[in-house]
Amino acid sequence: EDQVTQSPEALRLQEGESSSLNCSYTVSGLRGLFWYRQDPGKGPEFLFTLYSAGEEKEKERLKATLTKKESFLHITAPKPEDSATYLCAVESSGTYKYIFGTGTRLKVLA
Amino acid sequence: SAVISQKPSRDICQRGTSLTIQCQVDSQVTMMFWYRQQPGQSLTLIATANQGSEATYESGFVIDKFPISRPNLTFSTLTVSNMSPEDSSIYLCSVGTRQGSEQFFGPGTRLTVL
Repeated sequence: EDQVTQSPEALRLQEGESSSLNCSYTVSGLRGLFWYRQDPGKGPEFLFTLYSAGEEKEKERLKATLTKKESFLHITAPKPEDSATYLCAVESSGTYKYIFGTGTRLKVLA
Repeated sequence: SAVISQKPSRDICQRGTSLTIQCQVDSQVTMMFWYRQQPGQSLTLIATANQGSEATYESGFVIDKFPISRPNLTFSTLTVSNMSPEDSSIYLCSVGTRQGSEQFFGPGTRLTVL
């Protein structure tokens, strides 16, 4: 059965304190792995798509990487405005459906 | 990316009643999806809205409870029928252009059932 697990569930960082969020997945053939940011009361906002092991994508303070079993979202020198829930989803080959992880709630303190 | 709007943004309903949620996209899209996000939980796919045919429902979701329409490539509705407090959730629509591509989400409808 396809499965996505995110860790940690919650993370508190001081402003400028870099860290990484983990997304582990088990799928029968990966078509794509997707990272989203969700602010309270809003829909998920698309961040990155990764397709194959070794791929990396960057946007401002965020960098996403992918291996055959997991993905990391690295946050460099975070700011309070980076506080949000970060969601990971996978789409397996043969389907068009996303399976979401439970997310990591990130709080960046000034 | 597509601009997606949902109506209503929130509602408070009495048990036993029904609510229809609308999802409007500013451009034609191939795929439209409906998700549920229960309090403190992640997103669960309810169904895929198919243009011109019946929606495809995921395990645990049935058409009698969550009827879906998709009359064209820019619009869909989800009805939550015979509501109970357990239906209190955020309901989100999303759109995609092809398999393996990113989905874009609407702002969500926050439903509270008393």
